[in-house]
Amino acid sequence: DIQMTQSPSSLSASVGDSVTITCRASQSISSDLHWYQEKPGKAPNLLIYTASSLQSGVPSRFSGSGSGTDFTLTISGLLPEDLATYYCQQSYSIPLTFGGGTKVEIK
Amino acid sequence: EVQLVESGGGLVQPGRSLRLSCVVSGFSFDDYAMHWVRQAPGKGLEWVSGISWNSGVTGYADFVKGRFTISRDNAKNSLYLQMNSLRAEDTALYYCAKDKRGGMGTYFDYWGQGTLVTVSS
Repeated sequence: DIQMTQSPSSLSASVGDSVTITCRASQSISSDLHWYQEKPGKAPNLLIYTASSLQSGVPSRFSGSGSGTDFTLTISGLLPEDLATYYCQQSYSIPLTFGGGTKVEIK
Repeated sequence: EVQLVESGGGLVQPGRSLRLSCVVSGFSFDDYAMHWVRQAPGKGLEWVSGISWNSGVTGYADFVKGRFTISRDNAKNSLYLQMNSLRAEDTALYYCAKDKRGGMGTYFDYWGQGTLVTVSS
């Protein structure tokens, strides 16, 4: 199985800051990496697919990059509504696997 | 509007069975793969199982292989998860999720609100 490791597990940042979350795969997964946002009490929401493509309706302050084993999600200009836990997920092979999540808090 | 509505969760004793259902609307159900993803209380997301558009391909996480069975009825726009030999560690909120494609296993562009399964004596 492909293991997905996210870092940090949590972070606290101020409104307007740029925030970067990292996801590392235990083997190369090409660009088969996707990012989700989970707000408290809500179902997860797709943000980025295939490493860098922005899902329709998602604000442009969210961006993704990377390929192979190392990926990043960046929030440029953090807003209060970005309070959430963010997860990466690989689709290179079955079983599909998620990272452990990164909880983003607002200072 | 795309909607996925799960049902069938509840309190069940260890070793017993439960069947989850997910009824969808707002898209052509038989064009897309579907999945079950779970989240234990206070924990992260775990993919449980997936099924291709025509039921030709299914996949399971190791921790449910041999105990859970995924199925779908395209005529009823419905996805199912038969869960047998339930364990306390299966306690979680179970989400139904739509795959972006028909083949099994890419990413999830729509999610339901989940149904809670609690396994306890």
